[in-house]
Amino acid sequence: DAKTTQPPSMDCAEGRAANLPCNHSTISGNEYVYWYRQIHSQGPQYIIHGLKNNETNEMASLIITEDRKSSTLILPHATLRDTAVYYCIVDDYGQNFVFGPGTRLSVLP
Amino acid sequence: ETGVTQTPRHLVMGMTNKKSLKCEQHLGHNAMYWYKQSAKKPLELMFVYNFKEQTENNSVPSRFSPECPNSSHLFLHLHTLQPEDSALYLCASSQEQRATLSTDTQYFGPGTRLTVL
Repeated sequence: DAKTTQPPSMDCAEGRAANLPCNHSTISGNEYVYWYRQIHSQGPQYIIHGLKNNETNEMASLIITEDRKSSTLILPHATLRDTAVYYCIVDDYGQNFVFGPGTRLSVLP
Repeated sequence: ETGVTQTPRHLVMGMTNKKSLKCEQHLGHNAMYWYKQSAKKPLELMFVYNFKEQTENNSVPSRFSPECPNSSHLFLHLHTLQPEDSALYLCASSQEQRATLSTDTQYFGPGTRLTVL
């Protein structure tokens, strides 16, 4: 079973920030938080990952709470092409991923 | 482009056919993975290879037979499939499995959409 829980769906207006939450209350000390997304019928695309510090790259920002029991993926200026299913995964080495159902993000014009 | 390619992108086969899916990675990785994604279900890990050796088999039926001739190529041989095996089959690669790296991540190919009639 997946070790994370995410809302099944979210909407976001184009141009606004999309904030996708993830709960991982049983995360252990050596487990990282990974985010992937899957645009319809394509392979999952890596977005970002982190351990305890907040992370930012050209795609998104990852905010991890101090107790590491939850995190938020932020897409700062969502576009229609960001419509996808977003998966939050916790794993220690990044190799034994268990995917949950994810959050279906719809970016609306 | 992620550096992981899969062929064919679409495949239709009968239950008595034998076919193979191919995955190739150009990232210099040593671990490769097969996943299955059925309609409205999460991705399920099927097999893992690390340095050409199979390290994970998640109770996959024997009608699915993986082969990893080298670290860059991974095959999934299919025979006597059932209609419920229709799914998107995804290949992924990562640097190596559970070794000295503190963290790693997987890069996915575009998938093969398989339909079994």
